[in-house]
Amino acid sequence: KQEVTQIPAALSVPEGENLVLNCSFTDSAIYNLQWFRQDPGKGLTSLLLIQSSQREQTSGRLNASLDKSSGRSTLYIAASQPGDSATYLCAVTGSARQLTFGSGTQLTVLP
Amino acid sequence: KAGVTQTPRYLIKTRGQQVTLSCSPISGHRSVSWYQQTPGQGLQFLFEYFSETQRNKGNFPGRFSGRQFSNSRSEMNVSTLELGDSALYLCASSLMAGSDYEQYFGPGTRLTVT
Repeated sequence: KQEVTQIPAALSVPEGENLVLNCSFTDSAIYNLQWFRQDPGKGLTSLLLIQSSQREQTSGRLNASLDKSSGRSTLYIAASQPGDSATYLCAVTGSARQLTFGSGTQLTVLP
Repeated sequence: KAGVTQTPRYLIKTRGQQVTLSCSPISGHRSVSWYQQTPGQGLQFLFEYFSETQRNKGNFPGRFSGRQFSNSRSEMNVSTLELGDSALYLCASSLMAGSDYEQYFGPGTRLTVT
């Protein structure tokens, strides 16, 4: 059974700092990995989708990498802003063809 | 282009009742998936529909069911509600079924069972 772990569970940084969020998964037979953002009480906003054949994806200040063989992904956020404060979730699509989510990293960017 | 819409946004029901939640996907999207989010279990997959057919189902009891209409809109139903069914129910749509397609989520329906 696929398990997705996100470390740390919570992170607080000052504005302007670069930061890295980690995601690991137990079964490397995945089709893709997706990073989402969730604001309190809201739905999920897709940030980046990395197909299993890709190593990384970039969107603005966000860069996500995928190392399928080691079962790891990182989300790099450059020059963090208070508006980046949210919970960040990673999810993998495995052999069951459904998204399996991690428990998320709650990020607070202090002004 | 309008995003995924879910109705109602908030719902309060009593234990033993049943409830129906609705999801309208992004225009042109044909696959709809449902997820349950709780503080204790996190986000868990309920089921996926494509072309009015259930393609995939998560590990939930038979009280949870769904359907998809010819216009791709989807509904999920929970019968004989239990206190533990209190959760945020999220719907996601994608262009097609399958792993290559990005999923776009709606704002969710917050269900409270008393």
